Amino acid sequence: SQTIHQWPATLVQPVGSPLSLECTVEGTSNPNLYWYRQAAGRGLQLLFYSVGIGQISSEVPQNLSASRPQDRQFILSSKKLLLSDSGFYLCAWSVENTEAFFGQGTRLTVV
Amino acid sequence: GQQVMQIPQYQHVQEGEDFTTYCNSSTTLSNIQWYKQRPGGHPVFLIQLVKSGEVKKQKRLTFQFGEAKKNSSLHITATQTTDVGTYFCAGTGGTSYGKLTFGQGTILTVHP
Repeated sequence: SQTIHQWPATLVQPVGSPLSLECTVEGTSNPNLYWYRQAAGRGLQLLFYSVGIGQISSEVPQNLSASRPQDRQFILSSKKLLLSDSGFYLCAWSVENTEAFFGQGTRLTVV
Repeated sequence: GQQVMQIPQYQHVQEGEDFTTYCNSSTTLSNIQWYKQRPGGHPVFLIQLVKSGEVKKQKRLTFQFGEAKKNSSLHITATQTTDVGTYFCAGTGGTSYGKLTFGQGTILTVHP
């Protein structure tokens, strides 16, 4: 069966520090991969999505970047975190235009 | 780019009352999906609609996809406290292959 792993679950980082969040998918090939951010009590903002290795589409200009070094691995990074980067980060995958499966999310607090 | 609007942002109901959330897209969609996110959790898929004018039911939940495939609704009959959470619609379509765009969500509170 397919599973998605996202870690860590919570993270507290100082302003100006780097960030690396990793997401891996098992049990499927060539998935579409997504990174979303959710502010408290708000909707899901699409940050990046990828339809294949090395193919990354960025949705909003920001302090973050994404990479897909392997078919089932999606990484969200920042060189220097800002206070405004705090939020709930969710990784998700889907195949073609079917349902998306979400990871458990990472709650990032930048202090 | 593709935008998906969802209203209302918040809805407070008494247990037993009905609830509806509406979703509108700026472009024609290939499909519309609905998700539920419990407080503190992650979104979980509920259903997908593909055909123009499609209506699907899951127990007390009724989902509709508009004839033009640009709008959708989720209706809950006789809400229960277990219905509490945020309901999202999400769509794919047009030239944005692979891009799943979510609406802002409707936060539902049910008072016992």
